[in-house]
Formats: sequence, structure tokens, C-alpha cells
Amino acid sequence: AQSVTQLGSHVSVSEGALVLLRCNYSSSVPPYLFWYVQYPNQGLQLLLKYTSAATLVKGINGFEAEFKKSETSFHLTKPSAHMSDAAEYFCAVSFSSGSARQLTFGSGTQLTVLP
Amino acid sequence: DAGVIQSPRHEVTEMGQEVTLRCKPISGHNSLFWYRQTMMRGLELLIYFNNNVPIDDSGMPEDRFSAKMPNASFSTLKIQPSEPRDSAVYFCASSRNEQFFGPGTRLTVL
Repeated sequence: AQSVTQLGSHVSVSEGALVLLRCNYSSSVPPYLFWYVQYPNQGLQLLLKYTSAATLVKGINGFEAEFKKSETSFHLTKPSAHMSDAAEYFCAVSFSSGSARQLTFGSGTQLTVLP
Repeated sequence: DAGVIQSPRHEVTEMGQEVTLRCKPISGHNSLFWYRQTMMRGLELLIYFNNNVPIDDSGMPEDRFSAKMPNASFSTLKIQPSEPRDSAVYFCASSRNEQFFGPGTRLTVL
């Protein structure tokens, strides 16, 4: 069964520091991979997605993620954290395309940005 | 586009009462998903529809839960009777390619 693991349920960084949120998936075939962000009392918002084109994917708000097949990873990074980046981040995996594809979500990583 | 619309945003009810959560998907999206989010279990897929037809309801926890999608612009999730352990945030998402989430309904069952 497909699964996704997010290492670290809580990550704290200082404002201006590098953000690195980790995501690993288990699969024998390349999946579709997504990162979503959830701000307090809001729904999830798509940050970026990997769909087998470029391995380095750029998303909104300065975030990017790199698909590494050899490591089965899809870590999310941002060079310089802003206070507004404080939120919960979810990695998700799917093995199908189209509108009806099911997503399997990781358990989430809460990002705190310290002044 | 207004995005996915959910109502109510907050619902407080007493154990045993019927609860109905509503969702209006984004126009043109042909798939709709209902999720439940709790601290203990994270984000769980309850059921999803494609072209108004339920495709997979294996995530629905019990027979007390039911969902309908009578047309392309409306879906309901009903809990009858409700129990305190149903307290959670319920999200609706719609998709044409990527899933777009609504703001959620925070349900508290006393």
C-alpha cells in the first residue's frame, strides 16, 4: 500500500533561516507527489506538485521541492523563512491521475517561525 | 470563483442529534471528497464522488454516517445519531485535476 512519512511533527526555524520539511514515500512505482499548507482555521491549500516532469518543482510563496527517486523523497524547502510561513504542512501521494485520484496524506509538520 | 463553500462553519450539537454538513464544489469540478481531521487520526478520507456517483466509501466510519451528491453543485454529509467522538473538522474538497479544499466545518458534539 502506498504511504507517505513526514519526519518531524514540529519544526522551528528563525526568521530568515532555511526551511526544510521532510517527506518520504513508499512505492515501487513513481507516484504523484504534493505539498499542501494549512493555516489556522483554514482548509488545505496546494503549494506545489510533482507529476513526473521536472524533478525540481517550484511552488507558491517561494517554496520548492525536489523529487529524488533514489531516496524516495520529496522534501520541501524555502531559502528564507518569513513569519507568515508559520502553518502546518502536509505531504501527499497519489498513484493515479485525473480528477478522481485519491490522495494519501502524511501526518503533517507544524512549522514555527521564531522572530 | 468563490472556491469550495462549506456550511455551517461551526456546529455545536448534543449527542444523539442529527447533523448535516453541506458542500458546494467549484463549478466544473467533477470529483468531490469528504475528509475528517482530528488531532489523533490526522486527515482521513471518508468518501469521494466522481460525476455525482459515490466511488469509494470505505473510509466512512459507521452506518451513522451517510453522504449524498444529488447534483454537480451540492453534496451533504449526514451523521445520525451524532456522538461526542464525531467531534472534528470536516473538509470538503473538489477536483478537476488537483484537489481544492473548503474552509471546513468544525463540529462539536456535547
